[in-house]
Amino acid sequence: DQQVKQNSPSLSVQEGRISILNCDYTNSMFDYFLWYKKYPAEGPTFLISISSIKDKNEDGRFTVFLNKSAKHLSLHIVPSQPGDSAVYFCAASASGAGSYQLTFGKGTKLSVIP
Amino acid sequence: NAGVMQNPRHLVRRRGQEARLRCSPMKGHSHVYWYRQLPEEGLKFMVYLQKENIIDESGMPKERFSAEFPKEGPSILRIQQVVRGDSAAYFCASSPPSLGGSSSEQYFGPGTRLTVT
Repeated sequence: DQQVKQNSPSLSVQEGRISILNCDYTNSMFDYFLWYKKYPAEGPTFLISISSIKDKNEDGRFTVFLNKSAKHLSLHIVPSQPGDSAVYFCAASASGAGSYQLTFGKGTKLSVIP
Repeated sequence: NAGVMQNPRHLVRRRGQEARLRCSPMKGHSHVYWYRQLPEEGLKFMVYLQKENIIDESGMPKERFSAEFPKEGPSILRIQQVVRGDSAAYFCASSPPSLGGSSSEQYFGPGTRLTVT
């Protein structure tokens, strides 16, 4: 049972345009969401997060939007740069006991074309 | 400040052998987490350890897998009698002690890619 879903295995975007990566979750207990970026042969690197009390969090070129009623979040990268080409993982956790357990999606491979 | 270190980066084992994966957390971190990524899958939580204590091993397979984080030295993930299905990337993450177990402060290592032949 996949509790965090990233339905697009891959995405190609032109340099300078917006990249939108989507993520859906099924567990209503999740209240903290994170995006990680992963290059080949490296571990995931934390990118940006959002708490369920917010619907938007912005950090430079990266913005995460959360729609709790739809159990959906998205990561916007604008403008996209070739160095953004990587696999992006959506992850979620629930507060309380076990809050350290991250539940990951399968990832979306983003290719930014120069 | 060195990041989370894992070794070996690549490990090849024949079926039935033992695999030992090591993780050295970031300096000052005393909480370690192990995750496994099977091919075409996301990372899945396995175990959370503090020095000399297993806090949560709910994600560990019941047999053949064990983990430790001794007072001195790295954390070890041990897989006995490996099978082909154990082939995966194993990632270790660490977090600082002041926040306890926290999803927001986990820093990941580069992973160990285990191949069972």
